[in-house]
Amino acid sequence: SQKIEQNSEALNIQEGKTATLTCNYTNYSPAYLQWYRQDPGRGPVFLLLIRENEKEKRKERLKVTFDTTLKQSLFHITASQPADSATYLCALDAWGGDKIIFGKGTRLHILP
Amino acid sequence: EAGVVQSPRYKIIEKKQPVAFWCNPISGHNTLYWYRQNLGQGPELLIRYENEEAVDDSQLPKDRFSAERLKGVDSTLKIQPAELGDSAVYLCASSFSGGTVTDTQYFGPGTRLTVL
Repeated sequence: SQKIEQNSEALNIQEGKTATLTCNYTNYSPAYLQWYRQDPGRGPVFLLLIRENEKEKRKERLKVTFDTTLKQSLFHITASQPADSATYLCALDAWGGDKIIFGKGTRLHILP
Repeated sequence: EAGVVQSPRYKIIEKKQPVAFWCNPISGHNTLYWYRQNLGQGPELLIRYENEEAVDDSQLPKDRFSAERLKGVDSTLKIQPAELGDSAVYLCASSFSGGTVTDTQYFGPGTRLTVL
């Protein structure tokens, strides 16, 4: 079955630096990969979707890369701010493409 | 535009009791999802509706869980009887159009269930 791995340990980054989160997957080649943000007590919020034929996607201070050879996606937040502190979830389409499967998420703390 | 509305936000019950969660999706969204999120985990899909039809309920524990989406708008998820292991956050999400992974899903705030 598909397996998604995100760093379960919290990531602490100094304000202004670039935060980089990793999402690895095994046993599957997804056609799409998504990143979500989740704040405590709230549902996930969609951020970016990247397709297998796209190497990179950008949205304001966010950048996502998708390396199908390494089976890895990197999520970057440049010029990080304390307001970026949250849990970030990686999700990919399940076999058959009719639903998405989420990783456990990585908690990001931006330190002022 | 109002987001996905869920109620209640919190529910504490004793095991073996029934419980129900309600979801009102974003107006015009034809696809509705129920997810369960355990502490420290990502959401796991329980059931997906396209309009009134449940098109994917493969992960729904049908011995105790049931769901309905009458008239293709609001939805209710029920657990009867609840077990200790059902303690989790139950998230509802909705999207417009084909129910594929490229449709942006909008999540509600969730209902946190505690079973004692």
